[in-house]
Amino acid sequence: GAVVSQHPSRVICKSGTSVKIECRSLDFQATTMFWYRQFPKKSLMLMATSNEGSKATYEQGVEKDKFLINHASLTLSTLTVTSAHPEDSSFYICSARDILGRGLGYTFGSGTRLTVV
Amino acid sequence: SQKIEQNSEALNIQEGKTATLTCNYTNYSPAYLQWYRQDPGRGPVFLLLIRENEKEKRKERLKVTFDTTLKQSLFHITASQPADSATYLCALSTGTASKLTFGTGTRLQVTL
Repeated sequence: GAVVSQHPSRVICKSGTSVKIECRSLDFQATTMFWYRQFPKKSLMLMATSNEGSKATYEQGVEKDKFLINHASLTLSTLTVTSAHPEDSSFYICSARDILGRGLGYTFGSGTRLTVV
Repeated sequence: SQKIEQNSEALNIQEGKTATLTCNYTNYSPAYLQWYRQDPGRGPVFLLLIRENEKEKRKERLKVTFDTTLKQSLFHITASQPADSATYLCALSTGTASKLTFGTGTRLQVTL
């Protein structure tokens, strides 16, 4: 079945530094990938839609200069949290769907737990 | 604004019983409604999708209904097992490749 690999699974960084999270579709291609943020015991909040070869579409209230998204190929999207602060600590999850429309639903990565100290 | 509510934050049931989870939405006209399972510290896993013109879908012990008049979906797990314990999320979209809007989630605990 479709697999999305997300890396790293956990990262701890110092305030002011930047962190890059990778999301790869392993056995399918995706023109669109989605990035979510999840707080403890809360639901997933969509941050942005990553579009291969073009700019990402950000949800209202999400700072595009803080959360940089790059979708350079049909199998890779990256989210960079720039100048991270403790309030950016959260669980970040990506998802994708096969460009060929095989299967139903979306495939999610296993998530990245970001802790900013 | 769009609102998707799952009526119980937590649901505890006994093994062997049927678990019924509810998803209600307002200010939305979804073409598709999906259910996902999420285990702690993991990403959601797709379970079932139902279209706006479908009333019911089944997959093994799972059943989903979709009532666009009531703006509600019911998700049933029959013969529940402790391994079914997880958080279940409903999600709506206007297209198969459109962004998903998630509900608040229900934590299901199945006890022996």
